[in-house]
Amino acid sequence: DGGITQSPKYLFRKEGQNVTLSCEQNLNHDAMYWYRQDPGQGLRLIYYSQIVNDFQKGDIAEGYSVSREKKESFPLTVTSAQKNPTAFYLCASSARQGADEQYFGPGTRLTVT
Amino acid sequence: GQNIDQPTEMTATEGAIVQINCTYQTSGFNGLFWYQQHAGEAPTFLSYNVLDGLEEKGRFSSFLSRSKGYSYLLLKELQMKDSASYLCAVETGGFKTIFGAGTRLFVKA
Repeated sequence: DGGITQSPKYLFRKEGQNVTLSCEQNLNHDAMYWYRQDPGQGLRLIYYSQIVNDFQKGDIAEGYSVSREKKESFPLTVTSAQKNPTAFYLCASSARQGADEQYFGPGTRLTVT
Repeated sequence: GQNIDQPTEMTATEGAIVQINCTYQTSGFNGLFWYQQHAGEAPTFLSYNVLDGLEEKGRFSSFLSRSKGYSYLLLKELQMKDSASYLCAVETGGFKTIFGAGTRLFVKA
């Protein structure tokens, strides 16, 4: 059963703590993405990766970091430098970057207090 | 700048037809996606348009005019389960995809 998974679905953290959101896919896709979704706004791209050991900043990368050590995994760390971390985070993958449809994970809702 | 505009909300009746419009101004254009997103869930792919014209897929159709920077998603024979947000997204040069804020569709009985 191919797909993309994110865990946990809900995450609560105290301000000043770093937190890592997991994203795993078994679709054998090369490209992976992290988006942030806030109420009334479109998905905004945080980071994307075309291939293992390579990734690029998206439009709102400040306060976030990623790694791509394995093809199937693309974890996102929300650092204490991110000023408004409370949001719905979506991970996605596609067979090729850009031209192909993106498959999304179920999302992680992060609340920082 | 990059801009994608969609209506914020629409309401339609079960069994009817609804058209959701999307206009875009982007620095590049390789294609346009429509995704459906139910509340609290992940977006799922509906359609992808590269060339001008209408693409039909069952009850859903999507139209593109590249010269006008315009697309619409047409939903026929509306069902209650079609109540969701519909996201218009443009694949721009540099292989990034820019998403609109989405249109929340309410289908009433």
